[in-house]
Amino acid sequence: GAGVSQTPSNKVTEKGKYVELRCDPISGHTALYWYRQSLGQGPEFLIYFQGTGAADDSGLPNDRFFAVRPEGSVSTLKIQRTERGDSAVYLCASSPNTGEKNIQYFGAGTRLSVL
Amino acid sequence: ELKVEQNPLFLSMQEGKNYTIYCNYSTTSDRLYWYRQDPGKSLESLFVLLSNGAVKQEGRLMASLDTKARLSTLHITAAVHDLSATYFCAVDRGNNDMRFGAGTRLTVKP
Repeated sequence: GAGVSQTPSNKVTEKGKYVELRCDPISGHTALYWYRQSLGQGPEFLIYFQGTGAADDSGLPNDRFFAVRPEGSVSTLKIQRTERGDSAVYLCASSPNTGEKNIQYFGAGTRLSVL
Repeated sequence: ELKVEQNPLFLSMQEGKNYTIYCNYSTTSDRLYWYRQDPGKSLESLFVLLSNGAVKQEGRLMASLDTKARLSTLHITAAVHDLSATYFCAVDRGNNDMRFGAGTRLTVKP
């Protein structure tokens, strides 16, 4: 079946602009996660949704970052007034949130470049 | 705050050699994951370790978990070039979200 899909795969924007990154999880997965990965680093947790609600948004770095999942499926990560330091690969993952393993399945990521 | 530390961060090995990657974490957790990431690609799940003393093996890779020591190891046996990648451990905080280590970048040389 289809995996986690993220669009766009690459996004180049100018400092100060607004961007939206989209994640389409595996069908039936109730949990959805956003991470940010800088070059040479491990994924850094941003936010976790269980269904439509954000169960944990403690990883969002500041109020320029916001994410929604209005219907409990597709999620959008929104970044306002982008800064050069926001440049990174933004990864989305989903999991069924059932069973003891609860493996997270990752998308290919969106590479964001802020010029 | 949960901290996850991996070492080494960089590892260069000869083909045919054995080596171990270590993953230490700072708070109690009974669920630990190992992922592999190839350059420019996303993360691929390798192992899920669910209890103290758990051991999982797949091909030349074997992972183990000691929850009392808060330590997991990923052992590589008779390395081959195809194993070159970055390996991450990730610890479940107990509420279905994970914290990742910085990764171990493995290069296997002929």
